[in-house]
Amino acid sequence: KQEVTQIPAALSVPEGENLVLNCSFTDSAIYNLQWFRQDPGKGLTSLLLIQSSQREQTSGRLNASLDKSSGRSTLYIAASQPGDSATYLCAVGATDSWGKLQFGAGTQVVVTP
Amino acid sequence: KAGVTQTPRYLIKTRGQQVTLSCSPISGHRSVSWYQQTPGQGLQFLFEYFSETQRNKGNFPGRFSGRQFSNSRSEMNVSTLELGDSALYLCASSSNSYEQYFGPGTRLTVT
Repeated sequence: KQEVTQIPAALSVPEGENLVLNCSFTDSAIYNLQWFRQDPGKGLTSLLLIQSSQREQTSGRLNASLDKSSGRSTLYIAASQPGDSATYLCAVGATDSWGKLQFGAGTQVVVTP
Repeated sequence: KAGVTQTPRYLIKTRGQQVTLSCSPISGHRSVSWYQQTPGQGLQFLFEYFSETQRNKGNFPGRFSGRQFSNSRSEMNVSTLELGDSALYLCASSSNSYEQYFGPGTRLTVT
């Protein structure tokens, strides 16, 4: 059974510092991994999708890496801003499970001005 | 392109009642997945529909059901509501069951 873990559960950094968010999964038979952002009481915003054949994806200040063999993904956010304050969730899609994402519990990030 | 829409956004129901939630996917997306989000359990997968067929189902009791229409719009129904069903219900659409795009959610409160 796939388990997805995100450590730390919460993180507070001063504005301008780089953010490093970790995600680990127990079953390497994944099809893809997706990072999301969730603001309080809102839906999820897709940040980056990494296919299992890829090692990383980049979008603006965001960069996500994937190491299937070790069951890890890392989301880097460069030069953090107060607007980056949110909960960040990673989710894995399995090769044999249509439409189902297995989510981690998330990392709550606060960027202080 | 319009995003995923969900109606209603907020709902208050009494124990024992039933409720129907609606989800309209992004135009052209044929896959709709439903999730329940609670503080204690996080995000849990309910079921996924593609071309009006349920292809996958999570570990929820039979009180939770869904369907998808020919225009890809989807509904989920919860019968005999329990206090523990209070949650944010999220739907996501995908063009190929890969990258999922989420709606704003329906906040259900059961009293």
